[in-house]
Amino acid sequence: DAMVIQNPRYQVTQFGKPVTLSCSQTLNHNVMYWYQQKSSQAPKLLFHYYDKDFNNEADTPDNFQSRRPNTSFCFLDIRSPGLGDAAMYLCATSTWTGDQPQHFGDGTRLSIL
Amino acid sequence: DQQVKQNSPSLSVQEGRISILNCDYTNSMFDYFLWYKKYPAEGPTFLISISSIKDKNEDGRFTVFLNKSAKHLSLHIVPSQPGDSAVYFCAASDVTGFQKLVFGTGTRLLVSP
Repeated sequence: DAMVIQNPRYQVTQFGKPVTLSCSQTLNHNVMYWYQQKSSQAPKLLFHYYDKDFNNEADTPDNFQSRRPNTSFCFLDIRSPGLGDAAMYLCATSTWTGDQPQHFGDGTRLSIL
Repeated sequence: DQQVKQNSPSLSVQEGRISILNCDYTNSMFDYFLWYKKYPAEGPTFLISISSIKDKNEDGRFTVFLNKSAKHLSLHIVPSQPGDSAVYFCAASDVTGFQKLVFGTGTRLLVSP
């Protein structure tokens, strides 16, 4: 089945230690998104890629970076995680046309020690 | 400023009855609306969507109603089943350009046998 896969499902890192979360897709969608979701809150868009074109949300902290080496893979890098970055990180994909749903992975839950 | 609001954090319904989940939005530029369902430890799963040119869309037991003048949409589940117990997120976007989804904070539905 075509899908969006996130690894790892759970990640623990130390305060200030860089961490990378990964996402892969078999849907061949040209748009990939990263969301942050904190407990009892709505998922919040961090950035998205349209093919290799990177688009950052205005309020996404500089601490968050992303890479998309090819159509199938996208990475979220947190350069110096703080306690406030503990959250669920969701990857999603879609086609470019605005009237098609986004498809989500199961997320990576990030904990900061 | 929360542009998409789900004012009921939780809803309890008996099996076989109707579940009605509500969502309000403030941005008049939104023209595409979606409902996602989320089980614990899984990512959001697309359920049903509606474009602003329609006021109703049905898919099996699920129907979404859109009232543009009131900036309100609702999801009806008939009949409700215990397997429907999950968190339901309403999301909205402006389809001009890429699909930036703005989510509500979710409503937890519990369907009891």
